Amino acid sequence: AQTVTQSQPEMSVQEAETVTLSCTYDTSESDYYLFWYKQPPSRQMILVIRQEAYKQQNATENRFSVNFQKAAKSFSLKISDSQLGDAAMYFCAYRSLRGGNTGKLIFGQGTTLQVKP
Amino acid sequence: GAVVSQHPSRVICKSGTSVKIECRSLDFQATTMFWYRQFPKQSLMLMATSNEGSKATYEQGVEKDKFLINHASLTLSTLTVTSAHPEDSSFYICSARLPAQGTQYFGPGTRLLVL
Repeated sequence: AQTVTQSQPEMSVQEAETVTLSCTYDTSESDYYLFWYKQPPSRQMILVIRQEAYKQQNATENRFSVNFQKAAKSFSLKISDSQLGDAAMYFCAYRSLRGGNTGKLIFGQGTTLQVKP
Repeated sequence: GAVVSQHPSRVICKSGTSVKIECRSLDFQATTMFWYRQFPKQSLMLMATSNEGSKATYEQGVEKDKFLINHASLTLSTLTVTSAHPEDSSFYICSARLPAQGTQYFGPGTRLLVL
């Protein structure tokens, strides 16, 4: 079975600085999706970034980028120029392509990010 | 991005009553929706996968007679907590998968308090 591990329960960063959140996963599959979701205090889950495993190029979305290392099964999230609004719980998630449309997301434990002004 | 709504956002009920939570995909059709439960400062726990026109698939340990799921249309799934008890108090979140993209989008969640 696939697992996702976020080894940093809490992280903090100074406003305008850069922070990297780590995520590792375990799978025997070669095709899958990886995601980072953000959950601010409102508890609304927001998609931050998505990566298809077959793509070697790392996904980027404005200040958010990933370092996808397929062989190492690592999927870290880098937040540049951190803003106060980035404070949230961040979840890494894996989705197998098996099972078609019913394939479920497997979440990590989450990392709480604090942004200091 | 795709929008998923959830209603109600908050509900308080008496022990023994039933509560229905609605999840709607507003701007896309979703053949598959998911229901999660989340305790404070913890990750999301998948309860069941809801498929339009068929029976839901429940995760191990989730009582299907307790948590009734109906996915009657491509834009609506409902979760009914039957005979609710205080231990059912939690934050419930639904999500819908955008078929063409495979990405799940989440509703804002429902906070249930059973007295």
